[in-house]
Amino acid sequence: DTGVSQNPRHKITKRGQNVTFRCDPISEHNRLYWYRQTLGQGPEFLTYFQNEAQLEKSRLLSDRFSAERPKGSFSTLEIQRTEQGDSAMYLCASSPDGLSPLHFGNGTRLTVT
Amino acid sequence: AQTVTQSQPEMSVQEAETVTLSCTYDTSENNYYLFWYKQPPSRQMILVIRQEAYKQQNATENRFSVNFQKAAKSFSLKISDSQLGDTAMYFCAFMKGGGSNYKLTFGKGTLLTVNP
Repeated sequence: DTGVSQNPRHKITKRGQNVTFRCDPISEHNRLYWYRQTLGQGPEFLTYFQNEAQLEKSRLLSDRFSAERPKGSFSTLEIQRTEQGDSAMYLCASSPDGLSPLHFGNGTRLTVT
Repeated sequence: AQTVTQSQPEMSVQEAETVTLSCTYDTSENNYYLFWYKQPPSRQMILVIRQEAYKQQNATENRFSVNFQKAAKSFSLKISDSQLGDTAMYFCAFMKGGGSNYKLTFGKGTLLTVNP
């Protein structure tokens, strides 16, 4: 069990650019979650996958955000035309089922200048 | 919708002493789970303790225990014999029960500093 892995750890981008983050869940965890954490706040739910199916998207996830999980393994979160308000820590978590606790990664810190 | 409130933005405690972090929540659900997560400066969120709402007995994990008051919708965390490694951000979180439970609602967190 190597834990949930997220890359990159940090990303600095200029407003208007596109960015993509990657999350590798714990092996055989079929559930994968994305959360966003802004300064001074707790994590907020963005979206959730069960295997390759994206089952829910928060209204926080605007049209500029898209997440995929091809083949039910790793997941990517893309933000198009980034805005300064997108600056946050993006956390990925996985779990083997709906009753087990979530295992979080270290997160990707995005700074939009 | 569920809400989770942590009214203490920051707390400090001396090493070896006991500290209690507060959490209240609001829900109309009867079947749910409550969690305390710890986020050390290295940022990875770690589960500290979990409580099922249908269980009356308070959960304990070594030095960590909770005081779960369902009627009052209160879920406090007690840390005994505080250690320097307990310094972290602590988040209280709520999750609906049932077959499709998956989404955590977090409070804003309490920054706990353990002083030597």
